[in-house]
Amino acid sequence: EVQLVESGGGLVQPGGSLRLSCVASGFTFNTYEMNWVRRAPGKGLEWLSYISGRSNTIHHLDSVKGRFTISRDDANNSLYLQMNSLRAEDTAVYYCARLAYTNSAGGPRYHGMDVWGQGTTVTVSS
Amino acid sequence: DFVMTQTPVSLPVTPGEPASISCRSSQSLFDSGDGNTYLDWYLQKPGQSPQLLIHTLSYRASGVPDRFSGSGSGTDFTLKISRVEAEDVGLYYCMQRMEFPWTFGQGTKLEIK
Repeated sequence: EVQLVESGGGLVQPGGSLRLSCVASGFTFNTYEMNWVRRAPGKGLEWLSYISGRSNTIHHLDSVKGRFTISRDDANNSLYLQMNSLRAEDTAVYYCARLAYTNSAGGPRYHGMDVWGQGTTVTVSS
Repeated sequence: DFVMTQTPVSLPVTPGEPASISCRSSQSLFDSGDGNTYLDWYLQKPGQSPQLLIHTLSYRASGVPDRFSGSGSGTDFTLKISRVEAEDVGLYYCMQRMEFPWTFGQGTKLEIK
């Protein structure tokens, strides 16, 4: 079964740090580009971070640049989000999501985020 | 950044009736280089993780019923449900992946009358 399982959420004080993990199973993790997306209470979905295979390309939302860092460990089928200098507005459910693709003569064609984890809750509060 | 605007915010629908959600982008999502339009639709059902419904404007994701369809061009897009079922309740989001940062619309809450 294709699956993503997040962990690492919890209660943290403002200014604190957390490291979220996402373990993949059921597919060849190192061939997929991965993302983190969050949903704050009462708000909509917000894309946060992207990492390509082999970590060649990384993108972050401006509001988390310099505070959050996405990384991956392909040997352990794992994706991470290191979150530092946390703020109350970072309180949310955090999801990892796989970017689907198919190979074509002209290179990979991407098909949206087709597999999502169950989410891990981060609460930033004193 | 690309700003995505969805309407309506709330959508009450009678089962068996059609439903339509609009999404507008602040910039074109059409890539003239490859002919693709980089607009996806997601549904987050209550208590569940988001799920992909439609990708690249109009392609249904695996397992998505054919009552869901995506259309549009350039900056204006529509998700249509031909006959709403009770299981379709939840928050619907459009998302552009034309350019980073990827951005979502604010969401449309579909509820059953």
